[in-house]
Amino acid sequence: QLVLSQSPSASASLGSSVRLTCTLDRGHHNYAIAWHQQQPYKGPRFLMKINSDGSHTKADGIPDRFSGSSSGADRYLTISSLQSDDEAAYYCQSWGSDIQVFGGGTRLTVL
Amino acid sequence: QVQLVESGGGVVQPGGSLRLSCAASGFTFSTFAMHWVRQAPGKGLEWVAIISYDGTTRYNKDSVKGRFTISRDNSKNTLYLHMNSLRPDDTAVFFCAREGPDPYSSYYDYWGQGTLVTVSS
Repeated sequence: QLVLSQSPSASASLGSSVRLTCTLDRGHHNYAIAWHQQQPYKGPRFLMKINSDGSHTKADGIPDRFSGSSSGADRYLTISSLQSDDEAAYYCQSWGSDIQVFGGGTRLTVL
Repeated sequence: QVQLVESGGGVVQPGGSLRLSCAASGFTFSTFAMHWVRQAPGKGLEWVAIISYDGTTRYNKDSVKGRFTISRDNSKNTLYLHMNSLRPDDTAVFFCAREGPDPYSSYYDYWGQGTLVTVSS
């Protein structure tokens, strides 16, 4: 069963960097994932897809402050030079044969 | 630019029915698979259903099988979700989402803003 795990919350100071983690279960450790950002009271927005080798494809218009990487079963989203409107929930998503799965989401607070 | 606009949400009694619509524009709708995803109040995202680009293949989440039906009208650039036998735990914001063009991946590259469905007596 495809399972994605995320920490429920994270916080970092304005102007600093933060790395969010999405962990795949052991049986699906080599799967690709996608990261989505959901600001309060809005629909989600696709940020990037990350492959198991760390290569990633960003959505148009996503600033360079957002980057992705991978290590083993972990897929990372790093946000640098944090801004106030980065405060949002971040969800990872993966997929298999006839299945779509989301992580529980990480709510990022910018201090 | 790509736009997905949901409509049709509202308040419905348990056991009732509702049809959601998602109007697509800014891309060739008939060439993309589409999905419905929902979000219960204060909760995370949950996939509901998928339909292939031509409507010939559809899958639902187990908990909505037999109650929800996804469909599309490519002549109208519109995606639908027909919901019957609604239950209070179906209360959620429903989003439509476009599956990206990568043939080897099924991530969503565009989302709508959502429409709220409230099931309550």
